[in-house]
Amino acid sequence: GAGVSQSPSNKVTEKGKDVELRCDPISGHTALYWYRQSLGQGLEFLIYFQGNSAPDKSGLPSDRFSAERTGGSVSTLTIQRTQQEDSAVYLCASSPPQGYQAFFGQGTRLTVV
Amino acid sequence: AQRVTQPEKLLSVFKGAPVELKCNYSYSGSPELFWYVQYSRQRLQLLLRHISRESIKGFTADLNKGETSFHLKKPFAQEEDSAMYYCALTFSGGYNKLIFGAGTRLAVHP
Repeated sequence: GAGVSQSPSNKVTEKGKDVELRCDPISGHTALYWYRQSLGQGLEFLIYFQGNSAPDKSGLPSDRFSAERTGGSVSTLTIQRTQQEDSAVYLCASSPPQGYQAFFGQGTRLTVV
Repeated sequence: AQRVTQPEKLLSVFKGAPVELKCNYSYSGSPELFWYVQYSRQRLQLLLRHISRESIKGFTADLNKGETSFHLKKPFAQEEDSAMYYCALTFSGGYNKLIFGAGTRLAVHP
C-alpha cells in the first residue's frame, strides 16, 4: 500500500525500558510529523521534520523523547526510561511538498506497565 | 498561543436528525481550519478544509472569524457518520503543523 506505515501496531513495555517507534511516510513526502493521543486528550504535536531536519521539536514532553529521520524517509521516535504516563497512541503523519493535507498512519499503541 | 476548543466530548443523535459539532479557536492571525475524522478501526483522515468551501459526505463548515468558530454541520445524520471528529488549525509560517481540539465523538442511533 502507499499509505503511511507505522510499526509496531502495539507495544507493551515495562516501566524504565527504552522503546523505538517507527514511521514509514508516503514516498516523496518531505514533511513528517509525530503526534501523541492520550486517553481523553486530543492529538498533541510532538515534532516536525522537513527532510532530515527537525526545525520544530517544541512538543517533545521531556528529554527522554527523541526522534530522527534518515534519508528523508523513515523516522524513529525513541522514548528512554519509559514511564506510565507515556502510555498513549503515537501517530505519524506526512505531507507532500507544497501540500496541506496530512496523511496519517494507523498509530502505535504504547502501554507502559 | 494557538488553541482549538471542542466543548462536547460526545454528541448523540438519531438517524435523520441535524448535527452540529462545535469548534472554536484562538489565534490572532489568519488560521487555516480543518475537520479530520476517524471512523472505527480506521486511520485519521481529512474530512474538509475551510478554504475549499466544499460539502463532503453532506458535511459543511463555515469559518466565522467574528466568533472564531468553525462548526461542522450536516442536515440529516446517517449511522455511518458515527465517528470521532477533530477540529484542527494551522497558521501562517506553521508549516502545516496541526493544532487539534480534543475531539467529539458522534454517535448516530437508528
